[in-house]
Parts: sequence; C-alpha cells; structure tokens
Amino acid sequence: AQRVTQPEKLLSVFKGAPVELKCNYSYSGSPELFWYVQYSRQRLQLLLRHISRESIKGFTADLNKGETSFHLKKPFAQEEDSAMYYCALRSSGGGNKLTFGTGTQLKVEL
Amino acid sequence: ETGVTQSPTHLIKTRGQQVTLRCSSQSGHNTVSWYQQALGQGPQFIFQYYREEENGRGNFPPRFSGLQFPNYSSELNVNALELDDSALYLCASSPTITGNGANVLTFGAGSRLTVL
Repeated sequence: AQRVTQPEKLLSVFKGAPVELKCNYSYSGSPELFWYVQYSRQRLQLLLRHISRESIKGFTADLNKGETSFHLKKPFAQEEDSAMYYCALRSSGGGNKLTFGTGTQLKVEL
Repeated sequence: ETGVTQSPTHLIKTRGQQVTLRCSSQSGHNTVSWYQQALGQGPQFIFQYYREEENGRGNFPPRFSGLQFPNYSSELNVNALELDDSALYLCASSPTITGNGANVLTFGAGSRLTVL
C-alpha cells in the first residue's frame, strides 16, 4: 500500500530564513509526487509536481528515490508563504487517485 | 472559465440519515473525483468518475456512492450516516483521466458535513 508521511504538523520560521517541509513516501512502483497548498480561506491548489521540475513562488522539490523523499524547499521564507502544505503521491495508472499526507502548517513570523 | 463549485457548503445530519452532495466540474474537465478530509487529516480518495462511470475507488464502504451526469457534474451520496462521516468533502475535476492532464486537479471549496 502507498503511504505519504509528513512528520511535522507545524513548522515555524522567521521571515528570510530557509524553509524545508519534509515528505517521505512508500510505494513500490514509480510514483508521481506533488505538493499542494491551502492558503487561509482558499481552496486546495497545486503548488508543484516533480515531473515539471519547476520552481513556483521560489519553492522547489526534488524527488529522491533512494531516500523516498520529496522535500519542499525555499531559501528565504516570506510572510505570504504561511499556509497548509500537503504532499501527495499518484501511483502509475492511478488516474486522479492521490494519496495525501497529513499536512504541515507553515507559519512565517516577522 | 468557472472553477469547481460544490453545494451545499455546510450541512448537519443525524446518524442513519442519507446525504447528497453536488459538484459542478470546471469548464472543459471531464473527470471528477471525490475526497474526504477529516479534521486534522489530509484528503482521502473516495472515488473518481469518468464518462459517467466509476473508475477507481478508495477504501470506502458501498454506502458511499456517486453519479456523474452528461455535463460532467457529479453527486456523492452517503447512506446510513455515521458519526465518523463528519468531514469536509472535496470534489476535484481534471481535464482527463490519463496522461499529464490527469495530474492537474482543480479542487472545489468543499461541503462540510456534520453528523450528530
């Protein structure tokens, strides 16, 4: 069975500090990994996905198959980054079935 | 371009009752999936619909059922409600069910169900 683990429920950092939100997964096949974000009073939305290898709002995430991780990183946190972040996995041939982690609340303090 | 809309936004039911939640997919999207998000948890996949048929199901009992209509809108029905069914129910649509487009899920704001 596939599983996504986000070990931190809450991560608090100061503005300008680096951010790393941890995500580990277990899946025997070739997964697709995503980060979704939910800002206060907004809907869940896609932040980035590993196949795109892109940087969105300064965030990047690299899929490490050896460590089965997909950590989300940003070198300098901004106040507007405060939100709930969910890591998600899509199995091969899984259509729209995503397995989500429990989420990490990021709080950027001034 | 309209997004995913869900109704109702909030509702309260009692144990044993039945509930129907509705979802209109984003324009141009033909695939709809439903997720349950309990308090403090991530969304959990219930099932998805494509071409008016269920196409993939998560670990939910048969009392969770759904429909998809020709206009791609969808309903989630839950029978014999239990206290643990209290959650936020999210609908998500996507342009397709396979390929890279299937990765792009657009979520609705959700329907918050409370079972007393």
